[in-house]
Amino acid sequence: AQKITQTQPGMFVQEKEAVTLDCTYDTSDQSYGLFWYKQPSSGEMIFLIYQGSYDEQNATEGRYSLNFQKARKSANLVISASQLGDSAMYFCAMNYGGATNKLIFGTGTLLAVQP
Amino acid sequence: NAGVMQNPRHLVRRRGQEARLRCSPMKGHSHVYWYRQLPEEGLKFMVYLQKENIIDESGMPKERFSAEFPKEGPSILRIQQVVRGDSAAYFCASSPRGVGTTNEKLFFGSGTQLSVL
Repeated sequence: AQKITQTQPGMFVQEKEAVTLDCTYDTSDQSYGLFWYKQPSSGEMIFLIYQGSYDEQNATEGRYSLNFQKARKSANLVISASQLGDSAMYFCAMNYGGATNKLIFGTGTLLAVQP
Repeated sequence: NAGVMQNPRHLVRRRGQEARLRCSPMKGHSHVYWYRQLPEEGLKFMVYLQKENIIDESGMPKERFSAEFPKEGPSILRIQQVVRGDSAAYFCASSPRGVGTTNEKLFFGSGTQLSVL
């Protein structure tokens, strides 16, 4: 069965510093995708970054990068140069279900950026 | 280019009433997903629909919950005879393609917060 684990319920980071949010996953599928979403206090889910299981390079999107370690089944999100607007809940997710492309989410990490 | 639109943003119902949640996918998207988020938890898959078809409802409670995505109009998630345990945020997501695409990212709406009194 697929599973996503986020072990950090909350994190603090100083503005302009980098922060790593942890995510480990479990699946028996060979082909899968890993996603990170941001949920600010307003509630919407904002897509940040995607990593495919066959991608050899770590994904990057602006200040976001995904540290993908396939053998360890981890997909940590790295946010560089944190900004106050980065304060939000962050969810790691993995798609499963083959053709139906469903997502399974972790329980999230609440990031607070301090000035 | 409007995103995924959900309404209402907040919905309050008394126990036993019906709740109807609406979702208009992004323009050009024909695949709709509904997810539920309980307090302090991540989102959990409920149902996946394409126009006029339910493709996967494995995450939907067997009773009181139904979903549709008609040829015209928004997708509707309907909860009959609501109970306090139905209180949650309900998110709709859409994608241009669903079948056979493992890297298709989902675009989420802002959610409907259902509160059952």
